[in-house]
Amino acid sequence: EVQLVESGGGLVQPGRSLKLSCLASGFTFSNYGMNWIRQAPGKGLEWVASISSSSSYIYYADTVKGRFTISRDNAKNTLYLQMTSLRSEDTALYYCAKGPILFDYWGQGVMVTVSS
Amino acid sequence: DTVLTQSPALAVSLGQRVTISCRASKSVSTYMHWYQQKSGQQPKLLIYSASNLESGVPSRFSGSGSGTDFTLTIDPVEADDIANYYCQQSNELPLTFGSGTKLEIK
Repeated sequence: EVQLVESGGGLVQPGRSLKLSCLASGFTFSNYGMNWIRQAPGKGLEWVASISSSSSYIYYADTVKGRFTISRDNAKNTLYLQMTSLRSEDTALYYCAKGPILFDYWGQGVMVTVSS
Repeated sequence: DTVLTQSPALAVSLGQRVTISCRASKSVSTYMHWYQQKSGQQPKLLIYSASNLESGVPSRFSGSGSGTDFTLTIDPVEADDIANYYCQQSNELPLTFGSGTKLEIK
């Protein structure tokens, strides 16, 4: 059974940093591209970033480019999202999703709240 | 960016047929996918590449379209289908989603 479990969320002040993790199981993690997708409270879905299976290709939404970094450790079956210079508009539920360009499995999500 | 436009909400009677539309601002060929998100849950893939039913998804769901106009059809609608439905294109970066259609029961 495919499982994606996000962690690392919480309340953070504007301008600070936070790192999310997503532990994958039930499939060969190193064979698949992965993604982060977020959903602001009461809003729709927004793609944030993608990373290819070997980390050779990485893409970001313009809204996070230069502030967020997606990475992965295939030995640990873990996907990461390092978020810096956080803004109030980054407040959202962050989902890890198995890709590469369509999302066939999603985690439960982890909440990130940016507020002073 | 490719903008995907969906109607905000639809009301349908149980047992009836409903079509949810998604219009792209430019052609996405058949690189369109549909997701269902029930309240408090993560999204679930229903249809990929415009018309392919994801494994385990009931055959009541179907998808069609190409280019700029796409539809998700549910026939017949069941109470369990109450959810938000999102389209998503993978023809170009950035990957984009529609704003979602909320399916309600009359």
